[in-house]
Order: sequence, then structure tokens, then C-alpha cells
Amino acid sequence: GQQLNQSPQSMFIQEGEDVSMNCTSSSIFNTWLWYKQDPGEGPVLLIALYKAGELTSNGRLTAQFGITRKDSFLNISASIPSDVGIYFCAGQLYNTGKLIFGQGTTLQVKP
Amino acid sequence: GAVVSQHPSWVICKSGTSVKIECRSLDFQATTMFWYRQFPKQSLMLMATSNEGSKATYEQGVEKDKFLINHASLTLSTLTVTSAHPEDSSFYICSAREPGSNQPQHFGDGTRLSIL
Repeated sequence: GQQLNQSPQSMFIQEGEDVSMNCTSSSIFNTWLWYKQDPGEGPVLLIALYKAGELTSNGRLTAQFGITRKDSFLNISASIPSDVGIYFCAGQLYNTGKLIFGQGTTLQVKP
Repeated sequence: GAVVSQHPSWVICKSGTSVKIECRSLDFQATTMFWYRQFPKQSLMLMATSNEGSKATYEQGVEKDKFLINHASLTLSTLTVTSAHPEDSSFYICSAREPGSNQPQHFGDGTRLSIL
């Protein structure tokens, strides 16, 4: 089946540092989504990408939809302790709306 | 906008009990809702797609008689875990999409189910 490869699996950084994570796929997606999940809660949508090459920002977060439509990255600038959590990329299938998730990146920020 | 409410957030019950979980879209109508299961330190696993007014579509390996899904209105889908056993203990999460192509899924806060 379709899979997304997300890396890195985990990151432990100092507060104030920038963070970058990415996802690659063997299949093309029309929509890429980035979610954040805090412990014991559901994922929260951070950024949605709809066009190849699109670069979108949401505060300190920036994400890009790769030109080939097979990859995406998420950058977090000047990290703060509340950025801690698990970040998931997801490709959305156009016909069914189903999401194919990456394995997640666990981010820990040291104050 | 696009708020999804899931209830209850936490359930503990005895083996053999049936448990119902509700998923509501509070400020939009959702013709399609999704049900996921998540094990610790793992990604979300899609169980089924819930379509308003029709039967749910289950993913391969998910028992439809075990996990009953009803999507009776444009704002409510329910998942009933029938005759639950300890191996059904997990974190169950629903999501809903706003109408229109390419609309993203918005997730509820999940239900922690513990079967004793």
C-alpha cells in the first residue's frame, strides 16, 4: 500500500533552535497536510498545501509542497517549549479524502 | 471554525461490554467522517470511512460486526465497539471533512478506551 516516509523519527533540540522535518512518498498527492498531536489528544491541523511548489507559513511554521508532488517539508523557527509534540505529515487522496500518514516526528525542546 | 467534538474522552469498562463513541462536527456539516485507532508511539490507523446516509466502508482487517459505525446525520457519527475485550483497548480518534474537494480532515480529541 501507499506509505509516507517521514524523518527524522525524533528530535531533541534547545529552545530557540530551528527545526526541519520532511516526508517523501512513492506516490503523487494533490494535497499535503501537516498535523501536530499532543499526548492524549487528537491531531491538530497546522498547514494544508494544495499546489506543487507552494510555500505556506503559519506563524513560526513554514511548509512546502514539493514540485514533484511526492514530498513536503515543515520548518519550525525559533522553537519554544510548547512546540513539544508529535508532528505528522499526511497525503490526502483526492477521490476518497483518505489520509496516508507518515510515521511521525517526536519533537522535544529543552528550555 | 471546523471544530470536531468527540465523546467520551475516557472510558473504562468490563470485558463483554459494548461501548459507544460519538463524533460531532460542531460548526459545519460533514458528509464524510473517519474513524482511526492509534497504539502508543504509533501513527494513526484508519479503521473505516463513515458516509452520511449509507453504510460505512471498512479498511482491510477491520471487523465490521465488531466496530459498528452509524452516520445518521450530517453532524454525527458513532462508533460502537461491541462485546469489547482487553485487546480492544486503544485510543480511538474520529475526524470530519468540510464539504468540497480537497478539504482537510479535522480531528476530535480522541477517546481512551480501557477494557478490564
